[in-house]
Amino acid sequence: EDQVTQSPEALRLQEGESSSLNCSYTVSGLRGLFWYRQDPGKGPEFLFTLYSAGEEKEKERLKATLTKKESFLHITAPKPEDSATYLCAAHGGSQGNLIFGKGTKLSVKP
Amino acid sequence: NAGVTQTPKFQVLKTGQSMTLQCAQDMNHEYMSWYRQDPGMGLRLIHYSVGAGITDQGEVPNGYNVSRSTTEDFPLRLLSAAPSQTSVYFCASSYSSLLLGGYTFGSGTRLTVV
Repeated sequence: EDQVTQSPEALRLQEGESSSLNCSYTVSGLRGLFWYRQDPGKGPEFLFTLYSAGEEKEKERLKATLTKKESFLHITAPKPEDSATYLCAAHGGSQGNLIFGKGTKLSVKP
Repeated sequence: NAGVTQTPKFQVLKTGQSMTLQCAQDMNHEYMSWYRQDPGMGLRLIHYSVGAGITDQGEVPNGYNVSRSTTEDFPLRLLSAAPSQTSVYFCASSYSSLLLGGYTFGSGTRLTVV
């Protein structure tokens, strides 16, 4: 069964305390691994797409990496404005659609 | 502003009522989809369309209908609302079914069925 699992469900950090979010996937025919940010009451906002193992992408304090089984979203020296739910999604599977994980809710305290 | 527009933002329905959630995009995207988001469940695909006149079912299609008569619009119809359809609904679009550049999501419709 195609599946995307994110951990932890929730993460509380102090401002400046770096950490990583995990996304493990079992999806046949992976075409791409996506990361989104979602603020309360809003739609998900696209962050990154990774296409092959070993690929890395960066945006400000965020860096996404991909292996054959999982992806990590590294947050370096986070700020309170980084607080949000981060969603991971795999493009592929039997229907070739986007399969979402349940998300990691990140809280960064000043 | 370019993007995906969803209306209404909030809606309360009585069990058995029908309604249409509207979705429009002005980016000339071919691929459009509807998701529902429930606490602890993540985003689940309801229906999707790879172009005007072409639609298909996603993971949770029961109780919903879609049509795609134009590239811009992709309405979602609830045939006979049930409390289990209480959720936040998101419409999303992409340039192609390859999802290059990811999805652009609308701001959502929060639906409550009583």
